[in-house]
Amino acid sequence: EAGVAQSPRYKIIEKRQSVAFWCNPISGHATLYWYQQILGQGPKLLIQFQNNGVVDDSQLPKDRFSAERLKGVDSTLKIQPAKLEDSAVYLCASSGPRGPGANVLTFGAGSRLTVL
Amino acid sequence: AQSVSQHNHHVILSEAASLELGCNYSYGGTVNLFWYVQYPGQHLQLLLKYFSGDPLVKGIKGFEAEFIKSKFSFNLRKPSVQWSDTAEYFCAVSYSSNTGKLIFGQGTTLQVKP
Repeated sequence: EAGVAQSPRYKIIEKRQSVAFWCNPISGHATLYWYQQILGQGPKLLIQFQNNGVVDDSQLPKDRFSAERLKGVDSTLKIQPAKLEDSAVYLCASSGPRGPGANVLTFGAGSRLTVL
Repeated sequence: AQSVSQHNHHVILSEAASLELGCNYSYGGTVNLFWYVQYPGQHLQLLLKYFSGDPLVKGIKGFEAEFIKSKFSFNLRKPSVQWSDTAEYFCAVSYSSNTGKLIFGQGTTLQVKP
């Protein structure tokens, strides 16, 4: 099966600029996640979607980050305006329906953001 | 707060040496436990998982992990490492049985010398 697709793979912007990342999950996976991985740390959940509804966005800095999942498939994560501390890899993951499969995440390759 | 702690940040081993990476988690409720691996230049991949049953679980590439509930631990082991095991290893915990919200440890970088 095709994996989780993300783009762009790399992005360099200056602080206060905006950036958007795109994710296409595995076909049929209802749940989609965005994680932030800062260098030297483990991934941290930013937002979780179940179909096109938000399940958990408690750690999303809502003053600058936004995410949407229109039609319950693709998703975009936007940062506006970016800060230096937003430099990180943004990982998209997806998982299957309820039950044990819901806990098994498949990750994309990530989008590496550098904010200068 | 729910958290996951990995004991070693950077491990260097020679080929054929045995490996054990420590992982401890907070909270004593029902948990699902995972080890993910990230090889250089590649994306995070699932190495093994524990949901219930036999606390000794086997994963891909000869890795295994043991869940010790009394110690809140889920250590990763491999009896004989290879150069190709050089990677970053992440322990992760889900505190809910039917959602995929994972709490990750900070990762352990394993370097295997040929």
